[in-house]
Order: sequence, then C-alpha cells, then structure tokens
Amino acid sequence: SQQGEEDPQALSIQEGENATMNCSYKTSINNLQWYRQNSGRGLVHLILIRSNEREKHSGRLRVTLDTSKKSSSLLITASRAADTASYFCATAPLWTSGSRLTFGEGTQLTVNP
Amino acid sequence: DTAVSQTPKYLVTQMGNDKSIKCEQNLGHDTMYWYKQDSKKFLKIMFSYNNKELIINETVPNRFSPKSPDKAHLNLHINSLELGDSAVYFCASSQRLEGYTFGSGTRLTVV
Repeated sequence: SQQGEEDPQALSIQEGENATMNCSYKTSINNLQWYRQNSGRGLVHLILIRSNEREKHSGRLRVTLDTSKKSSSLLITASRAADTASYFCATAPLWTSGSRLTFGEGTQLTVNP
Repeated sequence: DTAVSQTPKYLVTQMGNDKSIKCEQNLGHDTMYWYKQDSKKFLKIMFSYNNKELIINETVPNRFSPKSPDKAHLNLHINSLELGDSAVYFCASSQRLEGYTFGSGTRLTVV
C-alpha cells in the first residue's frame, strides 16, 4: 500500500489566494519532502523537512510536520498562475538503510489568473 | 548543464520488442533510481543503485533489467514489451536521503 496520501486530490484557486495541501503517511520517517511536477515534465524538489523539525519555510512555501499525527502540510502563499502543477509529498522511511522515497498520490493545483 | 538526463524522451514501439532507456547524472550523487509513473500520476520505485550496486529491486517483472556501468549512469533495458508497460519512466539521483533530482522522463508507448 502507498505510504503517503494527499488531500485534496484537486484544488482550484484564484491568483493571489493561498493554497494548502495535506499529506498523511503510515510509518516512521527520517524526513518528508515535497515535489512539484508541471505537466509533461519531471519532478522538482521543493523542500525537505526532517523528522525533528516542525516547520520550515522557503520563499512562498511553508511546510509543517506533525510526527504524532503522521501528517504534513504544504502552504503556498500569494499563489501565481505559474504555480499550477501537481504537488507530491514523499517520505524517506526511518527503518531502511538504503535511500528510498515513497510518493503520495499528488494534489493537482490549478491557479486561475 | 542538465543534471539528470535521460534518453529518449519519447519511445513508441510494438509489443514484443526490446528497448533501452539511458540515464546519466553529473551531480556526483551516489544513488540513482528508476521510477514508473502511471496514467494516474502514481509514482512507484522500480530500482535503486548505490555506487553501481543494486540496493532496491521492487516487485518488477524480470523483463526489466537495470544496468549501472558506473555511478553516473543507470540504464533500463526492457525485454518483450507489453501494453501494460506503457507509462512514463523517470530516472533520479540523490545523495543519501536528501532530495532527489529527477530527469525529464521517458514516455513509453507500447502499441
């Protein structure tokens, strides 16, 4: 079964609004990462938050992590049409000695101009 | 200066054929991966190599064979292609558990 589940599956907002996406996971993690995928392109790494961190910022992105609830959220502030993309969370499990990211199902974000 | 490059970008082939996808990274990363993304955008890991050594081999038909001649290259060879193999295949690299750098993907269509 998948490690991550994302919510909502699709989100449509107006330019300038904030967008919040949520991710839940099942096992203990070393870190959690968020990626963006534009249509027809590869995934781009946005931000990594470690299991001992609760919040992280990068430009207009804010990520929170609640390990007790096994959940994370990605907030994009002041959204732009160029933010339209699929967003994926991915978890690096604690127990594995090898690198492995397990991806969620993704949230399709549409920002309308 | 493409960090992770994979070729070809598009691949259309008939059932039963054998094809290869090549991947190269110039980031000096120790670990490389192959992921498969299906039509619903679900990404599933197929293989992972660390310094040319296979460390992850998920439940993938043995028609799929990865080869890593050196730590900067990880190629994927697929024998006897089937319709269900149609997907987008992504190569990626990383240094330990840090963020991945993905290639732009190879869209494989089996007809």
